[in-house]
Amino acid sequence: DAKTTQPPSMDCAEGRAANLPCNHSTISGNEYVYWYRQIHSQGPQYIIHGLKNNETNEMASLIITEDRKSSTLILPHATLRDTAVYYCIVGATTDSWGKLQFGAGTQVVVTP
Amino acid sequence: GAGVSQSPRYKVAKRGQDVALRCDPISGHVSLFWYQQALGQGPEFLTYFQNEAQLDKSGLPSDRFFAERPEGSVSTLKIQRTQQEDSAVYLCASSLAMWGGRGDTQYFGPGTRLTVL
Repeated sequence: DAKTTQPPSMDCAEGRAANLPCNHSTISGNEYVYWYRQIHSQGPQYIIHGLKNNETNEMASLIITEDRKSSTLILPHATLRDTAVYYCIVGATTDSWGKLQFGAGTQVVVTP
Repeated sequence: GAGVSQSPRYKVAKRGQDVALRCDPISGHVSLFWYQQALGQGPEFLTYFQNEAQLDKSGLPSDRFFAERPEGSVSTLKIQRTQQEDSAVYLCASSLAMWGGRGDTQYFGPGTRLTVL
């Protein structure tokens, strides 16, 4: 069973910030939150991950609520190349071999 | 350096044929994963290798599916007596660390699209 809930789709205007929500109310204390994206006909691409603290890298920012039951991925300045399916995944750190349990993801369409 | 590569990129098989899908992980990566992605769905875990040891094959859908990584680098996913429901994209991923856990990043290949007629 999927451990996360995401909206099936969302649109974003080019140049604007895209805020992608994810609910993971059953997350365990040692589980990370990962975000991957998949552009059409390509393999998934790692974006960012976090445990408790907010994280930022060159691609995005990850905001995790204090109770860790939800998070938001922020693409600060969306471009047309950011059109993809975005997957929010929670996974155990030590006892699950690191396998990623993908859900259906959010289809993000960035429009000019 | 090169990323994860997979071959062939596309494979068409007649029902009942055997197929072999190859994955070349990033050099030095300990962990290797196979996933199956049906049309319109997210990838689903098939199996996991740590070096040459297959430590988890819980996701393999039937005994027609077999994976190996004999020298701890290149891996092959073999499907015997293919069925139409095997049609999917097969993705390979590798990561540097053992288990692929503790926040390690998995790097995915482009996948092999298998169509069974």
